[in-house]
Amino acid sequence: AQTVTQSQPEMSVQEAETVTLSCTYDTSESDYYLFWYKQPPSRQMILVIRQEAYKQQNATENRFSVNFQKAAKSFSLKISDSQLGDAAMYFCAYNQGGSEKLVFGKGTKLTVNP
Amino acid sequence: ETGVTQSPTHLIKTRGQQVTLRCSSQSGHNTVSWYQQALGQGPQFIFQYYREEENGRGNFPPRFSGLQFPNYSSELNVNALELDDSALYLCASSRYSGAKGETQYFGPGTRLLVL
Repeated sequence: AQTVTQSQPEMSVQEAETVTLSCTYDTSESDYYLFWYKQPPSRQMILVIRQEAYKQQNATENRFSVNFQKAAKSFSLKISDSQLGDAAMYFCAYNQGGSEKLVFGKGTKLTVNP
Repeated sequence: ETGVTQSPTHLIKTRGQQVTLRCSSQSGHNTVSWYQQALGQGPQFIFQYYREEENGRGNFPPRFSGLQFPNYSSELNVNALELDDSALYLCASSRYSGAKGETQYFGPGTRLLVL
């Protein structure tokens, strides 16, 4: 079974600085997709970024970018110019191509200090 | 465009009771997935509905059941509630089941407390 591991239960960053959240996953498949979701205290899970495993280019969305290392099965999220609104739980998730489910890690709680 | 909505937002039940949670999918989406998120954990996949039929199920007992309606909205039913069923229940919709890597869009969740 596929597993997703987020080794950092909590992280903190100063406003305007950069922080990287780690995620590793275990799979024997070659066709899969990876996601980062953000869950603020209001609870609604919001998609941050999506990466197709067959694409070598790292996905970016404004201040959010990923470092996708397929051979190492690593998918880290970099947040640049951190803002107070970035404070949330961040979940890494895996989806095997054609499968119906997302497999989530346990999450990393990000605190942004003013 | 209307996002995913869920009702109720909070619910308190006692052990042994039954509960029904509701979800309306985002416009243009025909697939609904349900997840259970225990406190301090990541969401766990319960099952998915597509074209009014269950399309994949996680490691949850049969007392967790669901429905999908012709308008793509969905219900999650849990019978014989146990204390461990206390959790945030998340509904997510997506455009098409089976399309690879479809992004799932989540609702705000229903917080269930079983006493």
